[in-house]
Amino acid sequence: GAGVSQSPRYKVAKRGQDVALRCDPISGHVSLFWYQQALGQGPEFLTYFQNEAQLDKSGLPSDRFFAERPEGSVSTLKIQRTQQEDSAVYLCASYWREDNNEQFFGPGTRLTVL
Amino acid sequence: AQSVTQLDSHVSVSEGTPVLLRCNYSSSYSPSLFWYVQHPNKGLQLLLKYTSAATLVKGINGFEAEFKKSETSFHLTKPSAHMSDAAEYFCVVSVFNDYKLSFGAGTTVTVRA
Repeated sequence: GAGVSQSPRYKVAKRGQDVALRCDPISGHVSLFWYQQALGQGPEFLTYFQNEAQLDKSGLPSDRFFAERPEGSVSTLKIQRTQQEDSAVYLCASYWREDNNEQFFGPGTRLTVL
Repeated sequence: AQSVTQLDSHVSVSEGTPVLLRCNYSSSYSPSLFWYVQHPNKGLQLLLKYTSAATLVKGINGFEAEFKKSETSFHLTKPSAHMSDAAEYFCVVSVFNDYKLSFGAGTTVTVRA
C-alpha cells in the first residue's frame, strides 16, 4: 500500500480483556517495528521483526505482550489481560533497507483500558 | 546507549516569526539524528535526518537542523512559522546499524495568528 496502516484506530477495553492490534506495513518492507507512546511522551521501542523473524523483543513491558508476523507482512500486537497502564498509542513502523534507517510510521492505535 | 533531551516541552511563536526547537543528544558512537513531526491523529512524519554527511541538514516545509558535535546538539529551526506548523516535534537518535530509535519527550509547537 501507499503507507503503513493500522487497525483499529481506537480501541476501548475493560481491564482484563485481551486485545489485538493490527499493522499493515508498506508493501515490500522487510523490517517492522512496534512502539508504545504514553500520553505526553515520545514513542518507546517495543519489538522488531525482520520478515517473519522477531529479532528483538526487549522493549515488551511484560509477558502479557506478544507480537507476531507469521508471513512476513502483516503484524499483530496482542495484549492479554489488559491493565490501565497499558493505555497508550501503539505505533507501527516499517522500512525496507537497513542502512537507510528511515522508518515510516502508521497513524497508531489509541488503546484505552477502563 | 543513546538518548536525546528536548530542552523545551512547549514553544509558542507568532506566525511569520522564527522557530527554534532545541535538542541535545548522547551517544557513544557516531549517531544518526532525526526530527519527526506528529500532527493530531496523523502518523509521525520525517522532517529531516543527519547521517554523517553535511552538518547543516535541510528538510521538508522549510525546516533545517545543524549537527554540532562539540555541543552534542541538533537544533531544529525554521525562519518563518506558518499556522500549519502547529504540531508535536520529536528529536530522535539512533546509532549506525542499530535499528532502535530513541525518541525525546517531544516539543509542542503552537503558532499564534
